[in-house]
Amino acid sequence: AQTVTQSQPEMSVQEAETVTLSCTYDTSENNYYLFWYKQPPSRQMILVIRQEAYKQQNATENRFSVNFQKAAKSFSLKISDSQLGDTAMYFCAFMKRGAQKLVFGQGTRLTINP
Amino acid sequence: DGGITQSPKYLFRKEGQNVTLSCEQNLNHDAMYWYRQDPGQGLRLIYYSQIVNDFQKGDIAEGYSVSREKKESFPLTVTSAQKNPTAFYLCASSISSSNYNSPLHFGNGTRLTVT
Repeated sequence: AQTVTQSQPEMSVQEAETVTLSCTYDTSENNYYLFWYKQPPSRQMILVIRQEAYKQQNATENRFSVNFQKAAKSFSLKISDSQLGDTAMYFCAFMKRGAQKLVFGQGTRLTINP
Repeated sequence: DGGITQSPKYLFRKEGQNVTLSCEQNLNHDAMYWYRQDPGQGLRLIYYSQIVNDFQKGDIAEGYSVSREKKESFPLTVTSAQKNPTAFYLCASSISSSNYNSPLHFGNGTRLTVT
């Protein structure tokens, strides 16, 4: 079974700083997908970024980018020029290719301070 | 606007009573999911449905039941057999259950408190 681990329960940075959230996963699969979801205080889950395991190039979405290290089974999220609206819970998630479900990590609570 | 509607936002029940959580989507998505969220544990899959009149158990299906009689609707019943029902419940949908390019769309959730 796949597992996803987020080792940082909470993080806090100042506005405009860069912050990196860690995620590691355990799988014997070779074809899979990785995701970062954001859950603001409204509690609605929002997809931030996704990565296909067979692509070596790291995904980027505006201020959000990932560092995908397949051999190390690591998938960290970097938020550049952080904003107050980035304050949220962030969840890392894994999906095996052809599977029907996402496996989520425990989440990291990120606070951006003014 | 298309989206997923979960109702009610807050729900209170006495122990021993069954309770049904509503989830409706107008995105024309085939797949629908129910997740449970507890503090420090992330989201765990309860049930999912890939198509009308079909559904499969997730990782923590015990004490729960679902139905999928219509494409738009996927209600979740929390039965009295569920040992720890107090939690935040999230419903989600996607165009297809196994398509990477079909990310999950989530509802706003229902907070269930059982006393």
